[in-house]
Amino acid sequence: AQSVAQPEDQVNVAEGNPLTVKCTYSVSGNPYLFWYVQYPNRGLQFLLKYITGDNLVKGSYGFEAEFNKSQTSFHLKKPSALVSDSALYFCAVRDYSSASKIIFGSGTRLSIRP
Amino acid sequence: DAMVIQNPRYQVTQFGKPVTLSCSQTLNHNVMYWYQQKSSQAPKLLFHYYDKDFNNEADTPDNFQSRRPNTSFCFLDIRSPGLGDAAMYLCATSRDRREGEQYFGPGTRLTVT
Repeated sequence: AQSVAQPEDQVNVAEGNPLTVKCTYSVSGNPYLFWYVQYPNRGLQFLLKYITGDNLVKGSYGFEAEFNKSQTSFHLKKPSALVSDSALYFCAVRDYSSASKIIFGSGTRLSIRP
Repeated sequence: DAMVIQNPRYQVTQFGKPVTLSCSQTLNHNVMYWYQQKSSQAPKLLFHYYDKDFNNEADTPDNFQSRRPNTSFCFLDIRSPGLGDAAMYLCATSRDRREGEQYFGPGTRLTVT
């Protein structure tokens, strides 16, 4: 069965510093991986996805993610954090048992201090 | 702008009083989803439609029903809300089954009194 794990409930970073939000995956085939962000009292927003191709995927708001097959990881990164990046971040993987569905990780709350 | 719209944004209902949440989309996507999200947890899929084909999750309570009268609209009916049904309800769409990314509406926060 497919799954993703987000090992950190909370990540705290100072504004201007690089940030990383971790995600590891477990799939039986080639993974389709996603990152979503959720601001307070809002729906989720799609940030980026990896299907195939370059291991470094660029997305919205200056975020990027690095796919690492050997480490089964798909960490979200940004070179310089903004206070406005503070939000809840979800990693997700497409469910191969039902292509319409995606499986979310438990979420990581990112807090950027001024 | 093409988008997913949910109405109302906030809904208060009484214990046991039926309630309907609505979702509309201007993206012309084939797939529509309903999720329940509690307390910053991961969204939990309740059901989804691929066109008119309804797919219910095995652990979705019978208390939850859905209708999709046309491509643009989808409704979530909660027949007898309990206190445990208080949550954020998220509607999402996807272009088709192979397109993994989903586009979410802003959500409806349901309070049960």
